[in-house]
Amino acid sequence: SQQGEEDPQALSIQEGENATMNCSYKTSINNLQWYRQNSGRGLVHLILIRSNEREKHSGRLRVTLDTSKKSSSLLITASRAADTASYFCATDDNNDMRFGAGTRLTVKP
Amino acid sequence: GAVVSQHPSWVICKSGTSVKIECRSLDFQATTMFWYRQFPKQSLMLMATSNEGSKATYEQGVEKDKFLINHASLTLSTLTVTSAHPEDSSFYICSAQDRASNQPQHFGDGTRLSIL
Repeated sequence: SQQGEEDPQALSIQEGENATMNCSYKTSINNLQWYRQNSGRGLVHLILIRSNEREKHSGRLRVTLDTSKKSSSLLITASRAADTASYFCATDDNNDMRFGAGTRLTVKP
Repeated sequence: GAVVSQHPSWVICKSGTSVKIECRSLDFQATTMFWYRQFPKQSLMLMATSNEGSKATYEQGVEKDKFLINHASLTLSTLTVTSAHPEDSSFYICSAQDRASNQPQHFGDGTRLSIL
């Protein structure tokens, strides 16, 4: 069963703009991960943030985690057309990983 | 980085056929492999978790006799869809993880299964 809810479900922006996607979850977690999926392909791991961390950066990606609100956000700065994909959060509770519904991001050139 | 190979990437077959999908971890030992199913524009739904050398643990609602999973080695797991029917058409994705190293799951590229 799914754990998280992501919003928005779909996001369309212009190249160069920032994209923010949010994820909420219900149970306690060990960590939260963000994945990217190009159409018809498998998932690519982007970033993992542990339950005792509040913020993490990787290149143009910034992830925050608020365990009190059971929510996380993924920020992609200076977006590119190649960032067009679906983005999923996944929560890991004792190695039982559950995926959110995903946000479909379209970056227009 | 860790690589997981999934094969075949695409299969079309007649109703009643059994289809086997392979998932291999190429450069690490996968103590655990996961099988997911994904419908168009939806999220991944976990079907089952398999640990090397033991029986798979199936999620509620997933028929173990329909979806046979074998994880005979630390680098290979297979999912066999037995007597497939059109409603089994979907995108199936495997992932592999070395839990001993506390690494995240690494995903294959998925298999698109179409049953006519």
